[in-house]
Amino acid sequence: AQTVTQSQPEMSVQEAETVTLSCTYDTSESDYYLFWYKQPPSRQMILVIRQEAYKQQNATENRFSVNFQKAAKSFSLKISDSQLGDAAMYFCAYRSAIQGAQKLVFGQGTRLTINP
Amino acid sequence: KAGVTQTPRYLIKTRGQQVTLSCSPISGHRSVSWYQQTPGQGLQFLFEYFSETQRNKGNFPGRFSGRQFSNSRSEMNVSTLELGDSALYLCASSLEGSDNSPLHFGNGTRLTVT
Repeated sequence: AQTVTQSQPEMSVQEAETVTLSCTYDTSESDYYLFWYKQPPSRQMILVIRQEAYKQQNATENRFSVNFQKAAKSFSLKISDSQLGDAAMYFCAYRSAIQGAQKLVFGQGTRLTINP
Repeated sequence: KAGVTQTPRYLIKTRGQQVTLSCSPISGHRSVSWYQQTPGQGLQFLFEYFSETQRNKGNFPGRFSGRQFSNSRSEMNVSTLELGDSALYLCASSLEGSDNSPLHFGNGTRLTVT
């Protein structure tokens, strides 16, 4: 079974600075997808960024980028120019690439605080 | 396009009762998944429905069940409620359930069992 581990329960950063959230995972599969979701107090899970395991290039989405290290099974999220609206719980998630396998395996989450 | 809609937003039940939660996916989405979120266990997969058929199931007791209707709307039911069932229940929908379909989540239903 796949597992996802986020070792930082809480992180804080000054507004406009850069912060990196860590995520490691364990799987025996060679093809899969990795995601970072954000959950603000409104409770809705919002997709921040996704990475296909077969792609070597790290995904980027505006101020958000990932460092995907497949051999090390590591998938960290970098947030540049942090904004107050980035404050939320961040969840790393894994999904198998097997057709129809919509199940997401989530990490325990990292609570990110942005200090003005 | 309207997002994933879950009703009700809040629910209070007593032990032993049963409850039904509803989820309306984004128009055109055929896959609906359910997740339970608790402080202790985090986010756990309950089940996934695609074209009215349960395609995947998590490790939850048989008290947790669900169904999907022909219009892709889904309901989940929890019978004989226990205190430990208190949680945020999240529903997510995706277009085809294919590899490139991202999941879109609703705001969840907060269930409190007393």
